Parts: sequence; structure tokens; C-alpha cells
Amino acid sequence: GENVEQHPSTLSVQEGDSAVIKCTYSDSASNYFPWYKQELGKRPQLIIDIRSNVGEKKDQRIAVTLNKTAKHFSLHITETQPEDSAVYFCAARLSGGSNYKLTFGKGTLLTVNP
Amino acid sequence: NAGVTQTPKFQVLKTGQSMTLQCAQDMNHNSMYWYRQDPGMGLRLIYYSASEGTTDKGEVPNGYNVSRLNKREFSLRLESAAPSQTSVYFCASSASGVSNQPQHFGDGTRLSIL
Repeated sequence: GENVEQHPSTLSVQEGDSAVIKCTYSDSASNYFPWYKQELGKRPQLIIDIRSNVGEKKDQRIAVTLNKTAKHFSLHITETQPEDSAVYFCAARLSGGSNYKLTFGKGTLLTVNP
Repeated sequence: NAGVTQTPKFQVLKTGQSMTLQCAQDMNHNSMYWYRQDPGMGLRLIYYSASEGTTDKGEVPNGYNVSRLNKREFSLRLESAAPSQTSVYFCASSASGVSNQPQHFGDGTRLSIL
């Protein structure tokens, strides 16, 4: 099955700095990579996703990059704000057949200090 | 439009008791999922239902059963609760499992087994 490693487990930045979270996956057949943000006590919410036919995707201050050869993908948050503080999860899903399962990384606790 | 609704939000059980967690979605989604979230472990898939009438095991199915009651509802049952099942349980749904549609999560059920 798929295995997803996420680093770092905790990340502290100053407001206005950039934050980068990296994930690696094991199965080259994975073709869908979503990122979720989870605030304390709340549900995970999708913030951005990327498919394997795309190398980079941006949405305002958030971007995701995918390197299929190296089997890793990263979340980039620019101009961080205190409200960006949360746990971020990456995930990967295998393509084809009846595989509907997302495999999640263990999460990164991002703290943005004012 | 409520999205994914989970009941109850909190529950305390004694070891050996049984319980059913309820999940309903109003987005006409085909696929539904049950996850558990433990500190430092990310989200782990318990069971999923690709479509009405089908269910399959995920990563950590032992001690659980599920029922896809209809297209809207997907329940998770603990037949004989154990302290190791203390966790936060999230239900999610997606339009289709095959075509890389994002998963939408409910607010979670916080379950404690004494």
C-alpha cells in the first residue's frame, strides 16, 4: 500500500515569513495529492490539491509543488498570518481500479508568531 | 446545506459497551469514509463505502463494523468498546472515489472509553 511521510512535525515562523511543509510518498502510481488544514478542535478542511499531470498549483498565498520523479510534494505558504496557525496534513491516493483510499501524513503543527 | 453531519459530538463509554456513530451527508455523494484521529498518528481509514451497497476495510478495521444504510447515511459500530478505541472519529464523503474528487469531513465525534 501507499506510505506518506510528512516533515517537519512542528514548524514555528514569524508573521510575514514563508512556511514550507514537505511530503514524500512511496507508490509511483499515486496521482492525487490534497492538503488539509485542521484548526484546533475543528474538522480537516481541504485547502488545495494537485493532480499528477500538474507540477505546480497556486491559490493566493498557498502553492503546492509536485515532483513525480522524486515522489515528493510540498506546501508553500507565503506572507504567513496568525490565522494560518493549524495542523496541516498531506495525503496521497493511488490511481486506477477501485482504489478510493487516501493515505495521510501524520501532520505538521504550524505556529505563526505575531 | 449542512454538508456532513455526525452524531453524537461527544460520548463516554465503559469498556465492553456497544455504540453506533452516525453520519449523514446531503451533497448527493457516492463515496463515504470513516477515519480515526489519534495524537501524532494523522488520520487513519477504518472503513469506506465506494457507493451505496458496498463497504470495504481500510487501514485499521479491527473492532469496528459499518453499514451503508442508503446513499446519505454511513454508520460505524463498536460492538465491544475497548480503551484503545478512545479517539476522535471523522466521517467524510466525496462525489466519486475514482475521479479524484476531494473528501469533505464532518465535525467529528470525540469518544472516550473508560
